[in-house]
Amino acid sequence: AQSVTQLDSHVSVSEGTPVLLRCNYSSSYSPSLFWYVQHPNKGLQLLLKYTSAATLVKGINGFEAEFKKSETSFHLTKPSAHMSDAAEYFCVVSDLGSGGKLIFGQGTELSVKP
Amino acid sequence: KAGVTQTPRYLIKTRGQQVTLSCSPISGHRSVSWYQQTPGQGLQFLFEYFSETQRNKGNFPGRFSGRQFSNSRSEMNVSTLELGDSALYLCASSLTGGNTIYFGEGSWLTVV
Repeated sequence: AQSVTQLDSHVSVSEGTPVLLRCNYSSSYSPSLFWYVQHPNKGLQLLLKYTSAATLVKGINGFEAEFKKSETSFHLTKPSAHMSDAAEYFCVVSDLGSGGKLIFGQGTELSVKP
Repeated sequence: KAGVTQTPRYLIKTRGQQVTLSCSPISGHRSVSWYQQTPGQGLQFLFEYFSETQRNKGNFPGRFSGRQFSNSRSEMNVSTLELGDSALYLCASSLTGGNTIYFGEGSWLTVV
């Protein structure tokens, strides 16, 4: 069975400092991995996705993630946080064996201090 | 092109009533899936439809049902509402289900 674990439920950074949101996954085969962001009272927006083409994936708004098979990790990073980055972030694995089913981590709330 | 559209955005229902939520996928997308989001349980998969057929189902009671029409629009229905059904219900669409999945803004359901 596939699963994802987000290692931090809450991360707080200062504006202009780097962001690191950690995610470990479990999958019996090569997974498709995603990061989604949810701003307050909004739906989910796709930040980036990994589908085995390249281990370093660049997404929108300056975010990127690196797929490390040996560590079963898919951490999300951004060099410099902006106030508008404050939101909840979800690491997600796609259960390709079950059509369009996504398996979500519990989420990491990112706070950005001025 | 237009994104995933969900209606209504907000609604309040009484225990025991039923509710129907609607979802229009991105044009050309044939897979529609539904998720429930609550503070306690996080995001949980409800079901997925592809070409009018339910292809996958999550671990929810039979009170939760759905359907998909020939134009790929989908509805989900919850009967005999319980307080615990209060949640954000998110619809998502993709071309075939194995591609990138795009979400709507969600329908906020409050059961009182």
